[in-house]
Amino acid sequence: GAVVSQHPSWVICKSGTSVKIECRSLDFQATTMFWYRQFPKQSLMLMATSNEGSKATYEQGVEKDKFLINHASLTLSTLTVTSAHPEDSSFYICSANAPPGGTEAFFGQGTRLTVV
Amino acid sequence: RKEVEQDPGPFNVPEGATVAFNCTYSNSASQSFFWYRQDCRKEPKLLMSVYSSGNEDGRFTAQLNRASQYISLLIRDSKLSDSATYLCVGGSARQLTFGSGTQLTVLP
Repeated sequence: GAVVSQHPSWVICKSGTSVKIECRSLDFQATTMFWYRQFPKQSLMLMATSNEGSKATYEQGVEKDKFLINHASLTLSTLTVTSAHPEDSSFYICSANAPPGGTEAFFGQGTRLTVV
Repeated sequence: RKEVEQDPGPFNVPEGATVAFNCTYSNSASQSFFWYRQDCRKEPKLLMSVYSSGNEDGRFTAQLNRASQYISLLIRDSKLSDSATYLCVGGSARQLTFGSGTQLTVLP
């Protein structure tokens, strides 16, 4: 199957700092990537859809100025959590569909963010 | 009402048991359905797609009833390694909607 690589797998940061998470499609091009957040014992909640070469589409209730998404190439999307707070601590995970336009989602390994 | 609803469990079953998970979806425009498996602190992995005609993959059988907007997953002869959270997923190429997951623990 297709491979999506996410980095870092875990990060601990101080409150008020920013954290960047990278999501790469390794063996296919992804014009669209999806960013999810998952709190303990809850489902994956879609935060935003990242579109290569254009602005991301954010879900209702997700602050676009806090969660900056950049999709500058066909294989890389980044999510930056700006001015992180303890309530931003969560499991962040990206996915891309392969082949492009298909419905099978391949997930990155996820990033466990802890803000202290 | 959630777009995709499933019983959160937990389901605790003995090894060798047969267990069934159910899921309902509210968006009649959903085109594709899947069952994903998620191990603790890991990313979800596709278990199987779900087709209207029903499909089987070894010990796993998935069924879709579009009229009732209902999806099921049957696991036969449960193994210890089947312990995980099973996510019901519906949607289209543009967006997938995940259920909250059903937790399964297979006991020795």
